[in-house]
Amino acid sequence: DIQMTQSPPSLSASIGDRVTITCQASQDINNYLNWYQQTPGRAPNLLIFDASNLATGVPSRFSGSGSGTDFSLIISSLQPEDVATYYCQHYANLPLTFGGGTKVEIK
Amino acid sequence: QVHLQESGPGLVKPSQTLSLTCTVFNDSISGGDYYWSWIRQPPGKGLEWIGYIFYSGTTYYKPSLDSRLTISLDTSKNQFSLKLTSVTAADTAVYYCARGGGCSSSNCAIDYWGQGTLVTVSS
Repeated sequence: DIQMTQSPPSLSASIGDRVTITCQASQDINNYLNWYQQTPGRAPNLLIFDASNLATGVPSRFSGSGSGTDFSLIISSLQPEDVATYYCQHYANLPLTFGGGTKVEIK
Repeated sequence: QVHLQESGPGLVKPSQTLSLTCTVFNDSISGGDYYWSWIRQPPGKGLEWIGYIFYSGTTYYKPSLDSRLTISLDTSKNQFSLKLTSVTAADTAVYYCARGGGCSSSNCAIDYWGQGTLVTVSS
C-alpha cells in the first residue's frame, strides 16, 4: 500500500494567516491526489482533485500543488469557517489510502 | 444534488456480522459512470477506505479486510450494501458510504459522502 504522510498533525494560526499543509507519498503518484476537509461532526468534503483543481463551490483561498511524492494544500487567508481536519488521499493504485490528517485551529 | 444515506444497526456484538445499507438519491448506481465506496473512521482517528463496487458488480476490497468483507448492489432499490463478518472492537467506527473511489468521466475523487453512521462493536 502507498503510505501518505501529512504534516504537521495540527496547527494553530490567526485569522488572515497563510496556512500550508504538506502531504508526502511513499512512492511516485504523479498528480493522483485529492484533498478533503472534514469539519467537526461532519462527513469529509472534497476540496481539491488531481492535486490542483478546485472542486465546485470551494473558495479560491484554497489551492493545491505538487506532483510525484510531495504535495501541498495552501489556505491563502485563514477564515473561521476553515477550522477543520484536512486529509490527502491518493488514487495511484488500490487500495486508496488517506493521510493521517492535519487539524487546523484558530489561534 | 446527489445524496447518500446510510442505515443499519448502531450496535453489533463481537464475532457477529455488521450490515449496512446505503441509499442513493438523485443518481443511479446502475448509471455506469461511478464507483460506490465504503469508508470508515474509528472515533477520534483518520479515514480508512475499505472497498468499492461498480455498477457491473465488480468489487475491490482492502486486502486486510478481504476475507470478511462483502459489498453488493441492489439496483432495484438504488442501494448498495456492506457486510463485515466476525467483527471485533477494532471495527468500531463511523461508516460512510460515498460516490467515487474509481475514476469517472468527471474526476477520480470521492465527491459525495453520506452523513456517516456510528457502529459500535460491544457485548
